Amino acid sequence: DIQMTQSPSSLSASVGDRVTITCRASQNITNYLNWYQQKPGKAPKLLIYAASSLQSGVPSRFSGSGSGTDLTLTISSLQPEDFATYYCQQSYNVPRTFGQGTKVEVK
Amino acid sequence: EVQLVESGGGLVKPGGSLRLSCAVSGFTFSSYSMNWLRQAPGKGLEWVSSIDPSSGYIFYADSVKGRFTISRDNAKTSLYLQMNSLRAEDTAVYYCARNYENRRYYYSDIWGQGTMVTVSS
Repeated sequence: DIQMTQSPSSLSASVGDRVTITCRASQNITNYLNWYQQKPGKAPKLLIYAASSLQSGVPSRFSGSGSGTDLTLTISSLQPEDFATYYCQQSYNVPRTFGQGTKVEVK
Repeated sequence: EVQLVESGGGLVKPGGSLRLSCAVSGFTFSSYSMNWLRQAPGKGLEWVSSIDPSSGYIFYADSVKGRFTISRDNAKTSLYLQMNSLRAEDTAVYYCARNYENRRYYYSDIWGQGTMVTVSS
């Protein structure tokens, strides 16, 4: 199975900050990577697929980059509604494993 | 309006069984693969199982293989998860999600609200 490791596990940031979350795969997944946002008590929401393609309706302050084993999610200017937990998921093969999550908290 | 509504969760004893359902509306159910995913209390997300539109391709996580069975009824636009030999570690919120395929990229683009399964004596 492909292991996905996110860093950091949590971070504190302020509104307007630039935030970067990294996802490292245990093997080359090229760009078969999805990013989800989850708020407490809610279902996850798809943000980005294929490493850098923005899902319809997702604000352009979210972006994804990278290929191979190291991929990133960037929020260019953190907004109040962005405080949440973010998960990466590889879609290179089955089982479709997730990272452990990164919680973005208010500084 | 696109909707996925899970049901069937509840409290069950270890070794027991439960059948989850996911009622789908708002898109052509028979054209899409579907997923079950879960999230244990306070933990991260875990992919559980996937089924293709014709039920010809089915995949399971090792943690549930041999105990869980995914199925679908395209006429009823419903997805199911039969869970047998339940263990305490199966306690989680279970989500159904549409498994969208775009140029061989797969992602869960629409999710239900989840149904809680608690395995405890």
